Amino acid sequence: EVQLVQSGAEVKKPGESLKISCKGSGYSFTSHWIGWVRQMPGKGLEWMGIIYPSDSDTRYSPSFQGQVTISADQSTNTAYLEWTSLKASDSAMYYCARVSSGMASDLDYWGQGTLVTVSS
Amino acid sequence: EIVLTQSPGTLSLSPGERATLSCRASQSVTSTYFAWYQQKPGQAPRVLIYGASRRATGIPDRFSGSGSGTDFTLTISRLEPEDSAVYYCQQYTRSPYTFGQGTKLEIK
Repeated sequence: EVQLVQSGAEVKKPGESLKISCKGSGYSFTSHWIGWVRQMPGKGLEWMGIIYPSDSDTRYSPSFQGQVTISADQSTNTAYLEWTSLKASDSAMYYCARVSSGMASDLDYWGQGTLVTVSS
Repeated sequence: EIVLTQSPGTLSLSPGERATLSCRASQSVTSTYFAWYQQKPGQAPRVLIYGASRRATGIPDRFSGSGSGTDFTLTISRLEPEDSAVYYCQQYTRSPYTFGQGTKLEIK
């Protein structure tokens, strides 16, 4: 069974750093791109970027380029989303999802989401 | 960036009725690279339709997708109470692979 399990909710202060994770199982982790999607409170889905765990090839949305870092660790089947200096506007639910086939494809399996709250 | 505009913003229908949700792209999208998702409150989204018209695994045949170019449609025939959700379209023709803003479907 394909599963993506994300790390737990985080409460941080502005300016702090954060790295959240997404662990894949039940499939060949290095054979599928993994994407990250932001959902701000009460709002829609925003595509942030994708990574190919096999070689760490990464593509970012211009809206998120330079604001976050997407990475992956083949040895642990885990993808990451990282901030070096959080802002209140980073408060949102973040989902990881598997890209079904190739780089340009639908997101067929999703993690449960990680809620990030940034507040002083 | 390709902007996807969904309409209507909210749709309120009764069980058994038919729902028609629209998604218009700011530039032509290859239909192979177009999907629809359903998101219920407190849940992660799930893919319903990919390749504009292909149902994902386990999706009932009440859900169907169509369209090409800049205009795409998700049709839900014979609405059931559990279809109450927000529906999003997504294009993955050109990065960034943008989503529409969503259509909220309410079942009366």
